Parts: sequence; structure tokens; C-alpha cells
Amino acid sequence: AQSVTQLGSHVSVSEGALVLLRCNYSSSVPPYLFWYVQYPNQGLQLLLKYTSAATLVKGINGFEAEFKKSETSFHLTKPSAHMSDAAEYFCAVSDLGGTSYGKLTFGQGTILTVHP
Amino acid sequence: EAGVVQSPRYKIIEKKQPVAFWCNPISGHNTLYWYRQNLGQGPELLIRYENEEAVDDSQLPKDRFSAERLKGVDSTLKIQPAELGDSAVYLCASSADINTEAFFGQGTRLTVV
Repeated sequence: AQSVTQLGSHVSVSEGALVLLRCNYSSSVPPYLFWYVQYPNQGLQLLLKYTSAATLVKGINGFEAEFKKSETSFHLTKPSAHMSDAAEYFCAVSDLGGTSYGKLTFGQGTILTVHP
Repeated sequence: EAGVVQSPRYKIIEKKQPVAFWCNPISGHNTLYWYRQNLGQGPELLIRYENEEAVDDSQLPKDRFSAERLKGVDSTLKIQPAELGDSAVYLCASSADINTEAFFGQGTRLTVV
């Protein structure tokens, strides 16, 4: 079964600082991996996805993530944080087999706080 | 283009009462998902539809939860009777097919008192 671990339930950065949100996954087959953002009282919005093409994936709002198979990691980064980046971020892995094909398994989320 | 529309946005009910949630997916999307998001956690899949067929309902508590997707478009999720532990946000998502990106609605926040 797939699983996702997000290291750190809360991350706090200053505006303009580097954002690093950590995600490790467990999968028996090469996975599809995703990062979603959720603003308060909103649904989830896709930031970026890895589907076995380039290992460095660029997404919306200046975010990017790098797939590292040897480390089973898919960490999300942004060079310079903006106040508008404050939200909750979820890493997810997609099941690619059986009746659960396409099912997203989410991590527990990381709340990003950006200080002025 | 309209996104995934869910209603109601908020619902407060007493335990043992029934409740229903409605989802209108993006036009043309064949795959529809219902997820439940407990406070402080990531969403968990309840059921997935391909058109009108439920192809993965292994996580749906069938003693009290039911879902339907008539004509392969709109879907409803029902809980009867509701329990205190059902308090959560219920998210609907849709995708063109199983291999493409899922778009999420804003969710229905259920509070059972």
C-alpha cells in the first residue's frame, strides 16, 4: 500500500526566505506524486505533479519539487516566500494498480506560516 | 468554466439524523471522487466512480454511508444516521479520466452535535 509522510506539521518562514516542505513516500511501484495547496475553507488546488518524466518539476506560483528515488522523497521548495503562500500543503501519492488505480493517498499536511 | 460545485458549504445536525451532500463535477469529467478530511489530517478516499459505476468503495462505511451517481453526472453522498465522529469536511473531486488531474470542490463542512 502507498503511504506519505510529511515531516513537520508546521513550518514558519520570513517573507523572502526559502520555503522547504518535506515529503517522503512509500510505494511498491514507481509512483505518481503530487503537491496540493489548501487555503482556509477552500478545496485543494494542484501545485505540481510528477508522472515519471523530468525529476525536477515546476509548478504554479514559483514552486518546484524534485523526485529523488534513492531517498524516496519529493520535497517542495520555493526560493522566496510571499505572504500569500501561507496555507496548508499536502503531498500525495497515486496508486497505479488494481481497483485503487488513481486513488490519491495524502500526507497529514504542513501548515506554512509566512512572517513579514 | 465552472469548477466542481458542492452544496451545502456548511451543515450542522444532531447525531442520529440523516444528512446528504451534493456534488456537480466539471462538465465532461467521467471520474468522480468523494474524500473525507478530518480536522488536522489529509483527505481520505471514500468512493470513486467511473461514470455511474462505483469502482472503488472499499473505504466507504457501508453500514451508514451510501452514495449514488445517477446518469454519470451529479453525485450525492448520504449518511444515515450521523454520528459525532462523522464531523469532517467532505470533498468531491472530478477528473476527465483516471489518468488526469483531479479538481476539487470547496467541500462541505459537517458538524454533528
